[in-house]
Amino acid sequence: KAGVTQTPRYLIKTRGQQVTLSCSPISGHRSVSWYQQTPGQGLQFLFEYFSETQRNKGNFPGRFSGRQFSNSRSEMNVSTLELGDSALYLCASSLGGQITEAFFGQGTRLTVV
Amino acid sequence: SQQGEEDPQALSIQEGENATMNCSYKTSINNLQWYRQNSGRGLVHLILIRSNEREKHSGRLRVTLDTSKKSSSLLITASRAADTASYFCAPSNDYKLSFGAGTTVTVRA
Repeated sequence: KAGVTQTPRYLIKTRGQQVTLSCSPISGHRSVSWYQQTPGQGLQFLFEYFSETQRNKGNFPGRFSGRQFSNSRSEMNVSTLELGDSALYLCASSLGGQITEAFFGQGTRLTVV
Repeated sequence: SQQGEEDPQALSIQEGENATMNCSYKTSINNLQWYRQNSGRGLVHLILIRSNEREKHSGRLRVTLDTSKKSSSLLITASRAADTASYFCAPSNDYKLSFGAGTTVTVRA
């Protein structure tokens, strides 16, 4: 079956702009999580959605937001981009229980200039 | 924070040798997962161990979990060049994985 699909794979934006990243989970998975990976901070949890509801949120400013649609696809948005937002953004999908493995996409590499 | 912390940060071994890495965390968990990442690409799930399990095997991988010490270990036996990667432990609770900084493993031919 198809894996987790993230689009776009690469993105270059200017400071102050906003960006929307997309994630299509594995068919049948209802949970989507987002993570930011940078050399300095490592992998940081952004938020998790299940059936269109946010169940958990990491310690990121309000410029980072997300949503999930009825087909479980998810988007995350970053407004007023800063240079420090340059990172690999990874999306993971799972069945959604408390104890389930997560399957990650290849990520979107965002560069803010 | 329940974030995992891996030790060592880096490991270099000869092909065929075993590699062991450790993970410590701070708070209670539902389960703990291990992931592998090659060259900044997506993470690949290796193994999940529940909080009420002590040991789990999957192919050449063996994971242990000691909840009293809040620690876990990952053993890769008979390593191969393809095992060269970064390995992350991820304590899990509240639908969230809390990754550590990872252990970079290099397998020399």
